[in-house]
Amino acid sequence: DIQLTQFPSFLSASVGDRVTITCRASQGISSYLAWYQQKPGKAPELLIYAASTLQSGVPSRFSGSGSGAEYTLTINSLQPEDFATYYCQQLKIYPHVFGPGTRLEI
Amino acid sequence: QLLQSGGRLVQPGGSLRLSCAASGFTSSDYAMSWVRQAPGKGLAWVSSLLSGSGGDTYYADSVKGRFTISRDTSKNTLYLQVNSLRAEDTAVYYCAKSKYGSGMPYGLDVWGQGTTVTVSS
Repeated sequence: DIQLTQFPSFLSASVGDRVTITCRASQGISSYLAWYQQKPGKAPELLIYAASTLQSGVPSRFSGSGSGAEYTLTINSLQPEDFATYYCQQLKIYPHVFGPGTRLEI
Repeated sequence: QLLQSGGRLVQPGGSLRLSCAASGFTSSDYAMSWVRQAPGKGLAWVSSLLSGSGGDTYYADSVKGRFTISRDTSKNTLYLQVNSLRAEDTAVYYCAKSKYGSGMPYGLDVWGQGTTVTVSS
Protein backbone atom coordinates (compact mmCIF):
# COMPACT_ATOMS: atom_id res chain seq x y z
CA ASP A 1 0.00 0.00 0.00
CA ILE A 2 1.06 3.60 -0.58
CA GLN A 3 1.46 5.72 2.54
CA LEU A 4 1.11 9.49 2.64
CA THR A 5 2.73 11.90 5.03
CA GLN A 6 1.86 15.56 5.32
CA PHE A 7 3.82 18.37 6.86
CA PRO A 8 3.49 20.42 8.80
CA SER A 9 0.72 18.77 10.80
CA PHE A 10 -0.15 22.13 12.30
CA LEU A 11 0.35 25.58 10.84
CA SER A 12 -0.29 28.94 12.43
CA ALA A 13 -0.63 31.87 10.04
CA SER A 14 -2.28 35.25 9.60
CA VAL A 15 -4.72 36.71 7.11
CA GLY A 16 -2.77 37.75 4.02
CA ASP A 17 0.02 35.21 4.50
CA ARG A 18 1.19 32.67 1.95
CA VAL A 19 1.39 29.11 3.20
CA THR A 20 2.57 25.82 1.72
CA ILE A 21 1.60 22.30 2.76
CA THR A 22 3.55 19.28 1.57
CA CYS A 23 2.29 15.77 0.89
CA ARG A 24 4.83 13.01 0.39
CA ALA A 25 3.99 9.53 -0.88
CA SER A 26 5.92 6.37 -0.11
CA GLN A 27 6.34 5.88 -3.86
CA GLY A 28 5.69 7.84 -7.03
CA ILE A 29 2.03 8.45 -7.74
CA SER A 30 2.19 10.13 -11.16
CA SER A 31 0.11 13.18 -10.14
CA TYR A 32 -2.83 11.00 -9.02
CA LEU A 33 -3.24 13.36 -6.09
CA ALA A 34 -6.15 15.40 -4.77
CA TRP A 35 -6.33 18.06 -2.06
CA TYR A 36 -9.37 18.64 0.17
CA GLN A 37 -10.40 21.29 2.65
CA GLN A 38 -12.51 20.37 5.66
CA LYS A 39 -14.09 22.73 8.16
CA PRO A 40 -15.33 21.53 11.56
CA GLY A 41 -18.56 19.58 11.37
CA LYS A 42 -18.64 19.69 7.57
CA ALA A 43 -17.90 17.26 4.77
CA PRO A 44 -14.60 17.72 2.95
CA GLU A 45 -14.51 19.71 -0.29
CA LEU A 46 -12.34 18.95 -3.30
CA LEU A 47 -9.91 21.78 -3.98
CA ILE A 48 -7.38 20.42 -6.46
CA TYR A 49 -7.17 17.28 -8.54
CA ALA A 50 -4.52 15.72 -10.74
CA ALA A 51 -2.02 17.47 -8.46
CA SER A 52 -2.42 20.92 -9.98
CA THR A 53 -5.89 21.45 -11.49
CA LEU A 54 -8.22 23.72 -9.58
CA GLN A 55 -11.70 22.31 -9.01
CA SER A 56 -14.47 24.48 -10.41
CA GLY A 57 -15.48 27.23 -8.03
CA VAL A 58 -12.31 27.14 -5.94
CA PRO A 59 -10.59 30.51 -5.58
CA SER A 60 -7.43 31.05 -7.60
CA ARG A 61 -5.38 31.75 -4.47
CA PHE A 62 -5.21 27.96 -4.10
CA SER A 63 -2.67 26.15 -6.23
CA GLY A 64 -1.07 22.75 -6.38
CA SER A 65 2.16 21.45 -7.79
CA GLY A 66 4.51 18.51 -7.65
CA SER A 67 5.42 15.29 -9.31
CA GLY A 68 6.65 11.83 -8.50
CA ALA A 69 6.24 11.35 -4.78
CA GLU A 70 6.13 14.94 -3.51
CA TYR A 71 3.33 17.46 -3.89
CA THR A 72 2.48 20.84 -2.45
CA LEU A 73 -0.63 22.90 -1.82
CA THR A 74 -0.07 26.64 -1.70
CA ILE A 75 -2.54 29.21 -0.49
CA ASN A 76 -1.72 32.80 -1.40
CA SER A 77 -3.09 35.71 0.57
CA LEU A 78 -4.90 33.71 3.25
CA GLN A 79 -8.50 34.67 3.86
CA PRO A 80 -10.42 34.12 7.12
CA GLU A 81 -12.46 31.33 5.50
CA ASP A 82 -9.29 29.37 4.65
CA PHE A 83 -8.60 28.39 8.23
CA ALA A 84 -9.46 24.70 8.14
CA THR A 85 -7.85 21.28 7.90
CA TYR A 86 -6.34 20.17 4.59
CA TYR A 87 -5.91 16.59 3.40
CA CYS A 88 -4.19 15.04 0.43
CA GLN A 89 -5.37 11.76 -1.12
CA GLN A 90 -3.58 9.49 -3.56
CA LEU A 91 -5.65 7.89 -6.31
CA LYS A 92 -3.02 5.91 -8.18
CA ILE A 93 -3.82 2.54 -6.64
CA TYR A 94 -6.25 1.18 -4.08
CA PRO A 95 -6.47 1.76 -1.18
CA HIS A 96 -6.98 5.44 -1.96
CA VAL A 97 -5.48 6.60 1.31
CA PHE A 98 -5.60 10.10 2.72
CA GLY A 99 -2.76 11.95 4.35
CA PRO A 100 -3.03 12.63 8.10
CA GLY A 101 -4.05 16.25 7.56
CA THR A 102 -2.68 19.73 8.18
CA ARG A 103 -4.58 21.98 10.53
CA LEU A 104 -4.28 25.63 9.54
CA GLU A 105 -5.10 28.04 12.32
CA ILE A 106 -4.93 31.75 12.88
CA GLN B 1 -27.08 15.70 -4.17
CA LEU B 2 -26.08 12.86 -1.85
CA LEU B 3 -28.41 12.30 1.09
CA GLN B 4 -27.23 9.86 3.72
CA SER B 5 -29.06 7.89 6.37
CA GLY B 6 -28.71 4.83 8.56
CA GLY B 7 -26.22 5.76 11.23
CA ARG B 8 -27.08 5.09 14.87
CA LEU B 9 -25.85 3.65 18.15
CA VAL B 10 -25.19 -0.08 17.88
CA GLN B 11 -23.66 -2.65 20.21
CA PRO B 12 -20.32 -4.31 19.47
CA GLY B 13 -20.83 -7.19 17.07
CA GLY B 14 -23.93 -5.57 15.61
CA SER B 15 -24.82 -4.63 12.04
CA LEU B 16 -26.11 -1.62 10.13
CA ARG B 17 -26.85 -0.63 6.58
CA LEU B 18 -25.85 2.88 5.62
CA SER B 19 -27.62 4.48 2.66
CA CYS B 20 -26.62 7.24 0.27
CA ALA B 21 -29.32 8.44 -2.12
CA ALA B 22 -28.12 10.35 -5.15
CA SER B 23 -30.05 13.06 -6.94
CA GLY B 24 -29.17 15.07 -10.01
CA PHE B 25 -27.01 12.34 -11.48
CA THR B 26 -27.05 8.58 -12.01
CA SER B 27 -24.78 7.10 -9.36
CA SER B 28 -24.13 3.91 -11.32
CA ASP B 29 -22.40 6.03 -14.00
CA TYR B 30 -19.68 6.91 -11.49
CA ALA B 31 -17.39 5.24 -9.06
CA MET B 32 -18.70 5.83 -5.55
CA SER B 33 -16.85 5.63 -2.25
CA TRP B 34 -17.27 5.60 1.49
CA VAL B 35 -14.90 7.57 3.72
CA ARG B 36 -15.04 7.69 7.51
CA GLN B 37 -13.75 9.98 10.19
CA ALA B 38 -13.37 8.84 13.77
CA PRO B 39 -13.96 11.48 16.46
CA GLY B 40 -11.13 14.01 16.40
CA LYS B 41 -9.25 12.08 13.72
CA GLY B 42 -8.51 12.43 10.03
CA LEU B 43 -10.23 11.07 6.96
CA ALA B 44 -9.97 7.35 6.23
CA TRP B 45 -10.92 5.78 2.92
CA VAL B 46 -13.16 2.76 3.53
CA SER B 47 -14.43 1.34 0.25
CA SER B 48 -15.11 2.07 -3.41
CA LEU B 49 -17.47 0.66 -6.02
CA LEU B 50 -16.58 1.28 -9.64
CA SER B 51 -19.15 2.30 -12.23
CA GLY B 52 -21.31 -0.07 -14.22
CA SER B 53 -23.52 -2.99 -13.34
CA GLY B 54 -20.61 -5.24 -12.44
CA GLY B 55 -18.39 -2.64 -10.93
CA ASP B 56 -15.35 -3.84 -9.05
CA THR B 57 -15.23 -3.28 -5.31
CA TYR B 58 -12.33 -2.30 -3.09
CA TYR B 59 -12.01 -2.25 0.70
CA ALA B 60 -9.61 -1.01 3.33
CA ASP B 61 -7.91 -3.90 5.13
CA SER B 62 -9.51 -2.79 8.39
CA VAL B 63 -13.03 -3.51 7.09
CA LYS B 64 -12.44 -6.28 4.55
CA GLY B 65 -14.74 -9.22 5.22
CA ARG B 66 -17.00 -7.17 7.48
CA PHE B 67 -18.26 -4.35 5.23
CA THR B 68 -19.96 -4.68 1.84
CA ILE B 69 -20.50 -1.86 -0.64
CA SER B 70 -23.33 -2.14 -3.14
CA ARG B 71 -25.80 -0.09 -5.15
CA ASP B 72 -29.45 -0.28 -6.13
CA THR B 73 -29.69 1.31 -9.56
CA SER B 74 -33.49 1.44 -9.44
CA LYS B 75 -33.27 3.61 -6.33
CA ASN B 76 -30.11 5.47 -7.41
CA THR B 77 -28.74 4.60 -3.98
CA LEU B 78 -25.39 3.43 -2.66
CA TYR B 79 -25.17 1.23 0.42
CA LEU B 80 -22.60 0.14 2.94
CA GLN B 81 -23.52 -2.96 4.92
CA VAL B 82 -21.44 -2.95 8.07
CA ASN B 83 -21.25 -6.14 10.13
CA SER B 84 -19.34 -7.35 13.18
CA LEU B 85 -18.96 -3.78 14.35
CA ARG B 86 -16.16 -2.84 16.72
CA ALA B 87 -15.60 0.20 18.90
CA GLU B 88 -12.96 1.39 16.46
CA ASP B 89 -15.59 1.60 13.72
CA THR B 90 -17.17 4.53 15.56
CA ALA B 91 -17.04 7.42 13.10
CA VAL B 92 -18.89 9.75 10.82
CA TYR B 93 -19.32 7.92 7.53
CA TYR B 94 -19.41 9.93 4.31
CA CYS B 95 -20.37 8.73 0.87
CA ALA B 96 -18.82 10.50 -2.09
CA LYS B 97 -18.90 10.51 -5.87
CA SER B 98 -15.71 10.12 -7.85
CA LYS B 99 -14.60 12.61 -10.47
CA TYR B 100 -12.88 11.06 -13.47
CA GLY B 101 -11.14 12.47 -16.50
CA SER B 102 -9.50 10.62 -19.37
CA GLY B 103 -9.98 7.44 -17.42
CA MET B 104 -8.01 8.91 -14.52
CA PRO B 105 -9.52 9.17 -11.04
CA TYR B 106 -9.36 12.80 -10.02
CA GLY B 107 -10.85 12.69 -6.53
CA LEU B 108 -14.15 12.87 -4.69
CA ASP B 109 -16.12 15.87 -5.89
CA VAL B 110 -19.57 15.41 -4.35
CA TRP B 111 -20.00 14.40 -0.72
CA GLY B 112 -22.92 13.43 1.44
CA GLN B 113 -23.60 15.18 4.71
CA GLY B 114 -22.29 12.27 6.77
CA THR B 115 -24.01 9.82 9.08
CA THR B 116 -22.76 8.91 12.54
CA VAL B 117 -22.15 5.33 13.61
CA THR B 118 -21.44 4.80 17.30
CA VAL B 119 -20.42 1.35 18.47
CA SER B 120 -20.81 1.00 22.21
CA SER B 121 -22.44 -1.24 24.79
